[in-house]
Amino acid sequence: DAGVTQSPTHLIKTRGQHVTLRCSPISGHKSVSWYQQVLGQGPQFIFQYYEKEERGRGNFPDRFSARQFPNYSSELNVNALLLGDSALYLCASSLAGRSQVTQYFGPGTRLLVL
Amino acid sequence: EDKVVQSPLSLVVHEGDTVTLNCSYEVTNFRSLLWYKQEKKAPTFLFMLTSSGIEKKSGRLSSILDKKELFSILNITATQTGDSAVYLCAVVTYSGGGADGLTFGKGTHLIIQP
Repeated sequence: DAGVTQSPTHLIKTRGQHVTLRCSPISGHKSVSWYQQVLGQGPQFIFQYYEKEERGRGNFPDRFSARQFPNYSSELNVNALLLGDSALYLCASSLAGRSQVTQYFGPGTRLLVL
Repeated sequence: EDKVVQSPLSLVVHEGDTVTLNCSYEVTNFRSLLWYKQEKKAPTFLFMLTSSGIEKKSGRLSSILDKKELFSILNITATQTGDSAVYLCAVVTYSGGGADGLTFGKGTHLIIQP
């Protein structure tokens, strides 16, 4: 079975631009979460979506938005990029959005903002 | 604010040594604690711990949770160079709205020297 897939793998943008990152969950998984991992730090929670609805949001500005599609894939959008947005963006999928359910991570998208 | 602290932040040992990685937490609405191994990009799942005092074991890796003292340890015996990675500890908390959040520590960067 295919794991969590993310695209693109790498991306270079300049300040002020916007970016869209994509994630396809493991088949049968209905929940997708997004994380930002800055070099040398653990991943930080951005959003969780379950059954196409936002179920949780971390401490990120409104420049960050996301959505989940009927096939449970998801997009993360970041507007007005700042240098500090440079990071590895990880997507994780799970069967449901509730506890006792393991999240499985994709390979990530490495974003560099110049 | 939920907090997860891992120690040490980095560790260099020789092949064959035994290592113990620590994770302490201060969170509200604790659900479970997860350990992940991150080598290049995607963190890979190791253990989920929900009950105190019950050791989880997988080959040379084992982990245990103490919910009274709010910490967990991850042990790796007879280390091999392939164990070199960042080990992430994450705590699952209930954030309301039907969603659970993951709060990660900064990770322990483990290097196994031949």
